[in-house]
Amino acid sequence: GENVEQHPSTLSVQEGDSAVIKCTYSDSASNYFPWYKQELGKGPQLIIDIRSNVGEKKDQRIAVTLNKTAKHFSLHITETQPEDSAVYFCAARWPGQNFVFGPGTRLSVLP
Amino acid sequence: EPEVTQTPSHQVTQMGQEVILRCVPISNHLYFYWYRQILGQKVEFLVSFYNNEISEKSEIFDDQFSVERPDGSNFTLKIRSTKLEDSAMYFCASSEGTAGKGYTFGSGTRLTVV
Repeated sequence: GENVEQHPSTLSVQEGDSAVIKCTYSDSASNYFPWYKQELGKGPQLIIDIRSNVGEKKDQRIAVTLNKTAKHFSLHITETQPEDSAVYFCAARWPGQNFVFGPGTRLSVLP
Repeated sequence: EPEVTQTPSHQVTQMGQEVILRCVPISNHLYFYWYRQILGQKVEFLVSFYNNEISEKSEIFDDQFSVERPDGSNFTLKIRSTKLEDSAMYFCASSEGTAGKGYTFGSGTRLTVV
């Protein structure tokens, strides 16, 4: 089955710096890659997603890039703010199947 | 913005007891899901439900688990004969379709088995 790896497991950055989280997936048929932000005591919230026919997508300070050949995708957060501190999960899904999540990255933005 | 609502937010139960976790999906969504997250670990898929039947389930979702849509709004997860290792956050999710559009998670129910 599909396997999703995620690095790093923890990440600390200074406020205003950029943060990058990387994920790799095993099944080349995967075609949908969302990123979720999970704050303490809450469910995962979709922050950005990308489909396999697109290489990059941007939404304000957040961007996701996808390299289908290498089977990896990355989340980029620029100008980080303390409220960006949370656990971030990548996920992958292939047609007709359900999501497989990465193990998560705990991001801490230090003021 | 529409939300997926889960109740209770926290459930404590004795080992061996049965629990029912409740979810109210977004009203126009047709696909419903349960996920589990053991403390400090990743979110794991349990089961998906469409057209009043299970469409997919994971290895975790064994005979101890069952799901039901008892009426037009609720979607429930029943766990029979709970074990200590069932302690986790259980998330319900719903979506408009299978393409990922509108896939929304609830805030979860923390189940503690003692």
